[in-house]
Amino acid sequence: NAGVTQTPKFQVLKTGQSMTLQCAQDMNHEYMSWYRQDPGMGLRLIHYSVGAGITDQGEVPNGYNVSRSTTEDFPLRLLSAAPSQTSVYFCASSTPGQGLDTQYFGPGTRLTVL
Amino acid sequence: SQQGEEDPQALSIQEGENATMNCSYKTSINNLQWYRQNSGRGLVHLILIRSNEREKHSGRLRVTLDTSKKSSSLLITASRAADTASYFCATDEGSGNTGKLIFGQGTTLQVKP
Repeated sequence: NAGVTQTPKFQVLKTGQSMTLQCAQDMNHEYMSWYRQDPGMGLRLIHYSVGAGITDQGEVPNGYNVSRSTTEDFPLRLLSAAPSQTSVYFCASSTPGQGLDTQYFGPGTRLTVL
Repeated sequence: SQQGEEDPQALSIQEGENATMNCSYKTSINNLQWYRQNSGRGLVHLILIRSNEREKHSGRLRVTLDTSKKSSSLLITASRAADTASYFCATDEGSGNTGKLIFGQGTTLQVKP
């Protein structure tokens, strides 16, 4: 299993541009989440999904859209990039009932908005 | 706002010493988890403790939970240079939803060889 994969690893955008961060998992996990991590900070939840077709907002959803058309994929869309969205973005997946209730994280996408 | 607040923010010890990190949280929880992050990498799950548990061990890790004080501690015994990383606590805020974790700001641990 590849686990949780994220693309791209690095991205530089200009203010106002849009882009989609890709996240995929091959563990058949029901839950998927997007977090952002700013320097010296913990992770803040952007959006999450408990299954295909179901998404909900986290702590910091403004400026981001998500959709979950399949169990495997959970893309994060930046509608109009702003410098405040410069951050490292992590995708995670998990599934209830496996005893550990842990999240499995991808390697992250480092985004810079100029 | 961050659910978990961790203390200390940074910790530097010698190899072989024990490292203790503390986490406080604000709401009721179903479980509390600890994660580790090596520089520039994603987070890796270390250990989970449920709200009805008081202590849990995993190898050199020992986690305690005091729900009356809304606090948890992570002890790493006999630390190694490879333990150098940032450590985060995370809670579900009582939702039971493992896709919706709230993380603390983390403790950066440096273990000197």
